[in-house]
Amino acid sequence: DTEVTQTPKHLVMGMTNKKSLKCEQHMGHRAMYWYKQKAKKPPELMFVYSYEKLSINESVPSRFSPECPNSSLLNLHLHALQPEDSALYLCASNYPGGPQHFGDGTRLSIL
Amino acid sequence: GIQVEQSPPDLILQEGANSTLRCNFSDSVNNLQWFHQNPWGQLINLFYIPSGTKQNGRLSATTVATERYSLLYISSSQTTDSGVYFCAVGRTGGFKTIFGAGTRLFVKA
Repeated sequence: DTEVTQTPKHLVMGMTNKKSLKCEQHMGHRAMYWYKQKAKKPPELMFVYSYEKLSINESVPSRFSPECPNSSLLNLHLHALQPEDSALYLCASNYPGGPQHFGDGTRLSIL
Repeated sequence: GIQVEQSPPDLILQEGANSTLRCNFSDSVNNLQWFHQNPWGQLINLFYIPSGTKQNGRLSATTVATERYSLLYISSSQTTDSGVYFCAVGRTGGFKTIFGAGTRLFVKA
């Protein structure tokens, strides 16, 4: 069991759907991250929130919209995704500069 | 930006064998982590090791920051060690963690 919880574990959606990925941690970490990972590739950073403020946006398309409602929660809102957006989406958290802890990920398939 | 190179890219071991994985990075860093991603996609933090040596059971890691490399040692490998091992680096004050391409390990029974 990981200390970072992601839901759902699997998601299949059409290109016109709107869905959200959720991430929760209760370790008191003040930095939270979204990564995208394609098969046989390393994780790629998408967004970083530090103290609930967006610190990094790695030029991610606007069809991905992050939200950090409080220090324990991180959402990723999805809209009008493309088939190439199918991937494993990983959430992580840490004290800034400290070791990162990852959730188990959401496997996303776009039909 | 910082480049991270891992070697070897692929490794096949017989159960019980030892191995050394290497991570080279192109610039000074303030933090370095080793992760194991199992076949189900779970990414587990093995070591946070910006410098020095740490050990955890059959695994140990050494980072020589001045020479810009880190090594991960796996002793008496087990089939459950199979998966991908990633090295990831970053700088203090920055949140960007840069991952290497990984070493894919398969341990045969």
